Amino acid sequence: QSLLTQPPSTSGTPGQMVTISCSGSSSNIGGNTVNWYQQLPGTAPKLLIYNNSQRPSGVPDRFSGSKSGTSASLAISGLQSEDEADYYCAAWDDSLNGVVFGGGTKLTVL
Amino acid sequence: EVQLLESGGGLVQPGGSLRLSCAASGFSFSSYAMSWVRQAPGKGLEWVSGITDSGGSTYYADSVKGRVTISRDNSKNTLYLQMTSLRAEDTAVYYCAKRRIRWSCMDVWGKGTTVTVSS
Repeated sequence: QSLLTQPPSTSGTPGQMVTISCSGSSSNIGGNTVNWYQQLPGTAPKLLIYNNSQRPSGVPDRFSGSKSGTSASLAISGLQSEDEADYYCAAWDDSLNGVVFGGGTKLTVL
Repeated sequence: EVQLLESGGGLVQPGGSLRLSCAASGFSFSSYAMSWVRQAPGKGLEWVSGITDSGGSTYYADSVKGRVTISRDNSKNTLYLQMTSLRAEDTAVYYCAKRRIRWSCMDVWGKGTTVTVSS
C-alpha cells in the first residue's frame, strides 16, 4: 500500500486533457515538493515534473504539475498517442526518512 | 552524454547475496547524491536506498534495512548496492538514479539490471 495514492488507470482521446491525482499526507506532500515520472513501456522512468510544477528541459509544455496542501496533480493537455505510459508521483516522507512513490497511473490513449 | 549503467544482476537463491554496480559517466559523479530504485515485475516503483555525494550519509527503505548496504567509489565513478539475505520479494529491476535538488527528484536513470531470487 503506497503512502501516495494515485488512480490505477485513466484514459483519454487524442487532443483531450487528462489529470492524474496524487494524494498524500502532511509527512510527505504536505511538507515536501512533488515530482512526477513518466515510464514508457519497457523503459526506465523519466523525470517529467520537479518541484511541484517545473519542467526539465525537453519536456513539452503540454505537461504541467500543481500542488495544494497534501495533494498534487499532473495535467496533460493535447493528449497524444505517445503519452500512453505509466505515471508516478514521488515525494520525500519525513516520518519514513525516505522517498515514497505513488502506486502509478496507467494512461491509455484511446 | 550523461549516462548510468547498471550491472551485477542475475539469478540468486533465497538467502543469497549479490552486489550491484552502477557506472556513471558524463557528469561530475562526486558532486551528486545517488539512489537505487526497484520495480518488481508488473508493479510500481519503490525507492530502495540513497547516498550523499561524499558517501557520508546513507538512507534505506524499511523493506531492505539491515540487508542492504549502499556505497560509492568516487574515484571510480561507481555506485554500489550490496544485497544480502535475499528474498523472493526482492525480485525486481534495479535502477540507479542521480539526485537533482531533492531526494525525490531523480533526473538521470540507468536502464536497470534484473535481480531474480528463486530456488
